[in-house]
Amino acid sequence: DAGVTQSPTHLIKTRGQHVTLRCSPISGHKSVSWYQQVLGQGPQFIFQYYEKEERGRGNFPDRFSARQFPNYSSELNVNALLLGDSALYLCASSLASVTYEQYFGPGTRLTVT
Amino acid sequence: EDQVTQSPEALRLQEGESSSLNCSYTVSGLRGLFWYRQDPGKGPEFLFTLYSAGEEKEKERLKATLTKKESFLHITAPKPEDSATYLCAVLADKLIFGTGTRLQVFP
Repeated sequence: DAGVTQSPTHLIKTRGQHVTLRCSPISGHKSVSWYQQVLGQGPQFIFQYYEKEERGRGNFPDRFSARQFPNYSSELNVNALLLGDSALYLCASSLASVTYEQYFGPGTRLTVT
Repeated sequence: EDQVTQSPEALRLQEGESSSLNCSYTVSGLRGLFWYRQDPGKGPEFLFTLYSAGEEKEKERLKATLTKKESFLHITAPKPEDSATYLCAVLADKLIFGTGTRLQVFP
């Protein structure tokens, strides 16, 4: 079975631009969560979606938004990019909204110049 | 404020030299504690879930234990392929990660 997939793998953007990151969960998983991981730190929670509804939001500005589609895939959007948004963006899927084991994708490495 | 602290930050072991990694936490309403392994540039790989004090889980050379205030990841006779960053995360209303322990095992 395929694991969690994310695209693109790497991305370079300029300050002020907008970016869209994509995630496909493990088949049968209905919950997707997004995390930001800065080098040397643990992942920080951004959003959780379950059955296409937002079920949790971390301490991130409104420039960050996300959505989940009927096939349970998800997009993370970041507007007005700042240098500090450079990080590894991780998507994780789990079976249900009450997050038991979360399985992570390989991440998207975003560099903002 | 919910908090997760991992120690040590980095650990260098000789192959076969057993040791333990610590994860201490302060969180209201703990719903579970998770251990992950992360290789450089990759997403975290799920290892264990622990739900209640006294619980233990084992997988190959790894054993995770849980008390009311902390969890330990014991590594028995490690091999160079065990080199990675080990992340602890606690689940309250959201998943909160520690900063990890970077483990290097030398032959």
